[in-house]
Amino acid sequence: DGGITQSPKYLFRKEGQNVTLSCEQNLNHDAMYWYRQDPGQGLRLIYYSQIVNDFQKGDIAEGYSVSREKKESFPLTVTSAQKNPTAFYLCASSPGFEAFFGQGTRLTVV
Amino acid sequence: QKEVEQNSGPLSVPEGAIASLNCTYSDRGSQSFFWYRQYSGKSPELIMFIYSNGDKEDGRFTAQLNKASQYVSLLIRDSQPSDSATYLCAVNPFSGGYQKVTFGTGTKLQVIP
Repeated sequence: DGGITQSPKYLFRKEGQNVTLSCEQNLNHDAMYWYRQDPGQGLRLIYYSQIVNDFQKGDIAEGYSVSREKKESFPLTVTSAQKNPTAFYLCASSPGFEAFFGQGTRLTVV
Repeated sequence: QKEVEQNSGPLSVPEGAIASLNCTYSDRGSQSFFWYRQYSGKSPELIMFIYSNGDKEDGRFTAQLNKASQYVSLLIRDSQPSDSATYLCAVNPFSGGYQKVTFGTGTKLQVIP
């Protein structure tokens, strides 16, 4: 089945820890995106990548980092510099006009 | 700051009725418009997109776009309890690429059996 796979579904982080969220797609899409969603808010763009080995900051990139070493993979690291990381994180990929989302990772700081 | 505004709801409609969801946007040059459905705790699912003025129909869903009024709406005919979800409006200033897309905060729809 073609699709976007995010893992884990739930993630708990202690204060001061870095954590990495996985996003894999087998849709052969060039563009991939990471969004953050907080309760009652719209999606906000963290980072995006349009080709392998290239990525750009979105609106709220501070405290996050990404890599794009393979077309299929776009992992997101939430660093200890992110002061309020508890949120629902969504990865998406796009063939150009529309975007398709993974199932999301819910990150909670404990 | 580009804005996309939606009434947060909840919008309650009886089963079988027409649900009308509205969205306004501030960037007059916006080119493409999307409606996503998001069930609680799940990821958004694309249900409609539109880029020309007028109506676009797909099954029970109709998207309506009025660029002069900077207004896009989604009509759901014969509403079902399974339509109960949050509907996100998304606006793109371009015809391709998602990096400039702005999402609204969503309207929660409740379909009452």
